[in-house]
Amino acid sequence: GNSVTQMEGPVTLSEEAFLTINCTYTATGYPSLFWYVQYPGEGLQLLLKATKADDKGSNKGFEATYRKETTSFHLEKGSVQVSDSAVYFCALSENQAGTALIFGKGTTLSVSS
Amino acid sequence: SQTIHQWPATLVQPVGSPLSLECTVEGTSNPNLYWYRQAAGRGLQLLFYSVGIGQISSEVPQNLSASRPQDRQFILSSKKLLLSDSGFYLCAWSVGLAGTDTQYFGPGTRLTVL
Repeated sequence: GNSVTQMEGPVTLSEEAFLTINCTYTATGYPSLFWYVQYPGEGLQLLLKATKADDKGSNKGFEATYRKETTSFHLEKGSVQVSDSAVYFCALSENQAGTALIFGKGTTLSVSS
Repeated sequence: SQTIHQWPATLVQPVGSPLSLECTVEGTSNPNLYWYRQAAGRGLQLLFYSVGIGQISSEVPQNLSASRPQDRQFILSSKKLLLSDSGFYLCAWSVGLAGTDTQYFGPGTRLTVL
C-alpha cells in the first residue's frame, strides 16, 4: 500500500543553520504531496504542497520539490529560526475522491539561539 | 473565510466512560470531513472520513464510532473508553473531491483516559 517515510528525529539545529528533512514515499499512480507543521500544543497547518512531478512548493522560506524519479519530497530551509521549532509531517494524497492523507510519523525540529 | 472548531480542547475521562467529541466547519458547504488520532510518540492515523451526511467510512477497527448528523458537523464517539484511546484527536476538512485539495485541521482535542 501507499506509505510515507520520514527521517527520524529529533533534529536539533542552531539558529540560521540549513535544514533538510528527508521524506520518501511509496504510491501507485500520481499522488499529491504535502508538508504540514504542528507547533507545540496546536493542530496541523499546511506548510506547502506539490501536486505533480517537478513542482516546487514553497512557503515561509521552506521549499520542497516533488521528485518522481527518486520518490522524494525533502523539506529544506536555508536559515532556520527559533520560531521554526515544531513537528513536521510529510503526507501524500492518492488523488481519489474522498480519500484522506497518509502521513509520515513526523520529525521534531528544535532550533536554539 | 472557512473555520473549523473542535471541542472540548482537553478532556480527562475514566476508563469505561462514554465519549463525544464534536467538530464543526463554517464557511463552506458539503466538505469532506476526517477524524485523525495522534498517539504519543506516533504519527497521525486516519480513523474515519465522510463525504456527506450519514456517510461514514472507517479506516481501522476500533472502539470508536463517528457520525455526521449535519453537513458541517462531525462527531466522534465511544460507548466505553479504553486506556489505549488516549491521544490527540484532530478533525479536518477539505473542499471538493480531488485528493489534490488541501486538508485543513482543527485545533485538536487532547484526550486522557485514566
